Amino acid sequence: DAKTTQPTSMDCAEGRAANLPCNHSTISGNEYVYWYRQIHSQGPQYIIHGLKNNETNEMASLIITEDRKSSTLILPHATLRDTAVYYCIVRVAGTASKLTFGTGTRLQVTL
Amino acid sequence: DAGITQSPRHKVTETGTPVTLRCHQTENHRYMYWYRQDPGHGLRLIHYSYGVKDTDKGEVSDGYSVSRSKTEDFLLTLESATSSQTSVYFCAISGTNGSGANVLTFGAGSRLTVL
Repeated sequence: DAKTTQPTSMDCAEGRAANLPCNHSTISGNEYVYWYRQIHSQGPQYIIHGLKNNETNEMASLIITEDRKSSTLILPHATLRDTAVYYCIVRVAGTASKLTFGTGTRLQVTL
Repeated sequence: DAGITQSPRHKVTETGTPVTLRCHQTENHRYMYWYRQDPGHGLRLIHYSYGVKDTDKGEVSDGYSVSRSKTEDFLLTLESATSSQTSVYFCAISGTNGSGANVLTFGAGSRLTVL
């Protein structure tokens, strides 16, 4: 699986949009971009994923660049409960592989 | 998390003793993973399984062994625990969620302290 690069930390004011970037310049054509988040010491939780089109669900939006070398997770109206570590990973869907998570981005939402 | 449970949730043991962590799933998913999480290192893959009796090493497999004798259980064993294996261990399963997305679902974690 391709490796990803994320900023170590970011801050966001409550109610504002949080935009979390991820670089995956070595992504392969059949690899999806997945986002997970980990709140405090809980297990990571799935947020959203996409292949090349932008995606939106009840939690977030995912914007993938046309060359697929980077993506942005958007939390449209961040709340204090969105404070967490966010992980971007790339993987081939439906297969087992050596999935690596890296250290993610620690998002701090403040009042 | 629904469909995946880890046991024990907390364990304190002494250096040199064997330890087994259990991951149990009720989702009938084919793929299962063991990760460890330490400050400053994020989640690191220890071993994973792609079916009964089919396992492979991850990036930090030294000192760990795994077994999967049936679909629902994936066991992680530390044959002789060391202090460097003090960590939080997460199990994950991979399958299709209610929206048809192929995702990883993680357990609540097992906190292991080796004295």
